[in-house]
Amino acid sequence: DAKTTQPTSMDCAEGRAANLPCNHSTISGNEYVYWYRQIHSQGPQYIIHGLKNNETNEMASLIITEDRKSSTLILPHATLRDTAVYYCIVRVAGSSGSARQLTFGSGTQLTVLP
Amino acid sequence: DAGITQSPRHKVTETGTPVTLRCHQTENHRYMYWYRQDPGHGLRLIHYSYGVKDTDKGEVSDGYSVSRSKTEDFLLTLESATSSQTSVYFCATGGQGPDTQYFGPGTRLTVL
Repeated sequence: DAKTTQPTSMDCAEGRAANLPCNHSTISGNEYVYWYRQIHSQGPQYIIHGLKNNETNEMASLIITEDRKSSTLILPHATLRDTAVYYCIVRVAGSSGSARQLTFGSGTQLTVLP
Repeated sequence: DAGITQSPRHKVTETGTPVTLRCHQTENHRYMYWYRQDPGHGLRLIHYSYGVKDTDKGEVSDGYSVSRSKTEDFLLTLESATSSQTSVYFCATGGQGPDTQYFGPGTRLTVL
């Protein structure tokens, strides 16, 4: 899996958009970008994933640059409950066996401020 | 989120005793995983299953065994618990398709 780089921490005001960047300059053509988050003392939660096109679901939007070397997760209206560690993961989809293991890096601690 | 429950949610046990953690899912997902999470190590895969009675080892499998006799249940057994197995254990499931994983709430295990 390609290596990812994320800022250690970010703050965001409640109600504003939170934009979380991720660099993955060594991404391969068949690797997807996945985002998960982990709220304190809870299990990780899947947010969104994409290959090359921008994606949106009920939780967030994912913007992937044209060269696919970086991406941004956007939480459009952050709430206090969005305070969590956010992980950007790059991996080949449809892997078999132990390759399906998710490797979480250090992630970005997002703190939503009232 | 997928319907994943883990039991017990908290357990304190003594060194040398066997411990079994249970993961139950209601989504009929084919894949199931057991991870442990420790400070400084992130999530590490212990064992995984790709179907009933089909299991394999992950990154940190020593001292652990698993069983999956039904699609919905995946059991993790610590054959003889040690203090180094004090951790938070997460179960996850995944379907065949988009390769996403859905995590349970975790079990906090303390081995004294």
